[in-house]
Amino acid sequence: DTGVSQDPRHKITKRGQNVTFRCDPISEHNRLYWYRQTLGQGPEFLTYFQNEAQLEKSRLLSDRFSAERPKGSFSTLEIQRTEQGDSAMYLCASSFMGENNEQFFGPGTRLTVL
Amino acid sequence: AQTVTQSQPEMSVQEAETVTLSCTYDTSESDYYLFWYKQPPSRQMILVIRQEAYKQQNATENRFSVNFQKAAKSFSLKISDSQLGDAAMYFCAYRRPKTSGSRLTFGEGTQLTVNP
Repeated sequence: DTGVSQDPRHKITKRGQNVTFRCDPISEHNRLYWYRQTLGQGPEFLTYFQNEAQLEKSRLLSDRFSAERPKGSFSTLEIQRTEQGDSAMYLCASSFMGENNEQFFGPGTRLTVL
Repeated sequence: AQTVTQSQPEMSVQEAETVTLSCTYDTSESDYYLFWYKQPPSRQMILVIRQEAYKQQNATENRFSVNFQKAAKSFSLKISDSQLGDAAMYFCAYRRPKTSGSRLTFGEGTQLTVNP
């Protein structure tokens, strides 16, 4: 296992279109996190899963955003009716459960909404 | 809510010299973790160093060390013998250990340039 992977690495879409991103965590990790990073800013938490259960969602995650982790392995993040303000880097991270749980980050998916 | 502030958007250092990156945070918790992450250009974020708030001793990882001042809510990163490969965006981050989510709260970042 080579770490957290994300697909695609880059996505350009037109306003109003739907997009879906995929994250494959480190295989033994039962926690999976999504963050959003806009240019020149630090990542902001969006949501996290423990196994297949989505346990926490940020207020940043509007109704147009939905995330799933159906079998407790990979996760998808879908944005419906994209807006220009959705342009950002979407980062995925994974970790073991427990207090000593370092989060390992993927390379991110850069979304550009035209 | 917890906040993390990095007041230096950009820093530069000469190769082989020492640089210190600043971070302050605000929390009402007594137990938490603090981290420094490095994000090289077009590459994924990696953990540089971590500090548990209950430990008085400052964490050290090779050329990287922290100055943790709990009362002042300050957590600076010192990079000794700077190398060209240290050039990156550095983020300070906070995490509460006993919440179920363990979400990270990041600062705005400091862009470090290493001059040869």
